[in-house]
Formats: sequence, C-alpha cells, structure tokens
Amino acid sequence: EPEVTQTPSHQVTQMGQEVILRCVPISNHLYFYWYRQILGQKVEFLVSFYNNEISEKSEIFDDQFSVERPDGSNFTLKIRSTKLEDSAMYFCASILASGYWTYEQYFGPGTRLTVT
Amino acid sequence: GESVGLHLPTLSVQEGDNSIINCAYSNSASDYFIWYKQESGKGPQFIIDIRSNMDKRQGQRVTVLLNKTVKHLSLQIAATQPGDSAVYFCAEKGGSQGNLIFGKGTKLSVKP
Repeated sequence: EPEVTQTPSHQVTQMGQEVILRCVPISNHLYFYWYRQILGQKVEFLVSFYNNEISEKSEIFDDQFSVERPDGSNFTLKIRSTKLEDSAMYFCASILASGYWTYEQYFGPGTRLTVT
Repeated sequence: GESVGLHLPTLSVQEGDNSIINCAYSNSASDYFIWYKQESGKGPQFIIDIRSNMDKRQGQRVTVLLNKTVKHLSLQIAATQPGDSAVYFCAEKGGSQGNLIFGKGTKLSVKP
C-alpha cells in the first residue's frame, strides 16, 4: 500500500539554525499539507500546497516558514531560524484530489523536531 | 476560540465493550467531518468520515453519528479491542483546499 514517508524521523537543532524537513507524498497525489503537533496537544494545520504554490496557510506559517516541491517527488518544509517553540512533531500529508466527497488525508509518520 | 473540540480527554473501557468518543464543533457551516486515530509515535490514521448531509455512516466496527442540531459528532467503536488503544481526533474541513481543523483528542485505553 502506498504511503507518505518523512525524513528524518528526529531532528535536533540549535536555536537560530535552519532546518529542512522532507516528505515524499504518495506518487499520484496532487495536494500536499504540513501540520505540526506540539507534544500532548492537537494537530495544527500549517500550509497546503497545490500546483506548485501555496494554496492556504495558517497564522502559524509566518515568514520563517517556507515550502517547496523541488523535483516533483519531494515536498519540503524549511524553517529559517528555529525557535524553542518550534519544537514539535511535523506531519506531512497528501490527498489525491480536493473538492470531491472525501478529504481523507494520508499522513506520514512525522519528524520530531527538537530545538535546543 | 477553536472550532472543534472534545468533551473528554480520556476514556477507559473493558475489552469487548463498545466505546463512544464525542466531539463538539462550533461552526454550523461545516460540511465535512473526519475521525483519525493516532497511536503513540505515529501519524494520524484515517478511520471514517461523514458529510453534513448525512446523520450516520458505518464502517468496519465503527460508526460516526452527526447531530447538526446540537453540533455534535461521535465515534462508536464496537467490541473494542486492545489494538484500539490510541488517541482519537475529530476534525473538520477548514478551507477550500481541504485542510483539516483538529480537535484536542481523546485517549482511549482498553483494559484486557
């Protein structure tokens, strides 16, 4: 069964450093998402990406964040200058199409980001 | 305030019993809802979804009920098994591109 993969599984970085989290969505999917989950809290939407551009973003997704789909396979989330409060699990998700009956998103296993 | 939330943070049931996990939402215009299961250290896993033009939808051992009058959503798990132990999130479609707004989660513990 196809699945979303994410690397690395755990990333430790120092405050102020840049990090890039990588995702490989399911190959025929067209819509891509990043979410984050601070330990013990709910999953929060960050950004959606379609047709090589951001389609929606939340208030969390400020200028420190960016996303890219550089090669038609990988989908990356970059945090330019990490803060302690960026420590969280980051989930990538994808969906074949949007606007039909279901919006079931397939989630990856997540990357745990620890900022020290 | 958040659009989607849960009544109970934890639920403990005996193996074989039925489980009911509840969720309240505040946006009466919401037209799509979904339940996810999250096991420790893993990403959310789809369970079942429902559109606002339905009151009930059944899957394998799971049923989702939607009461639009009181803006309430519930997930029923029949014959709960130890493998059902996880955190359960309800979510609603938040935008036109399908992004999801999640509730806080209910931790289900199944006692053998």
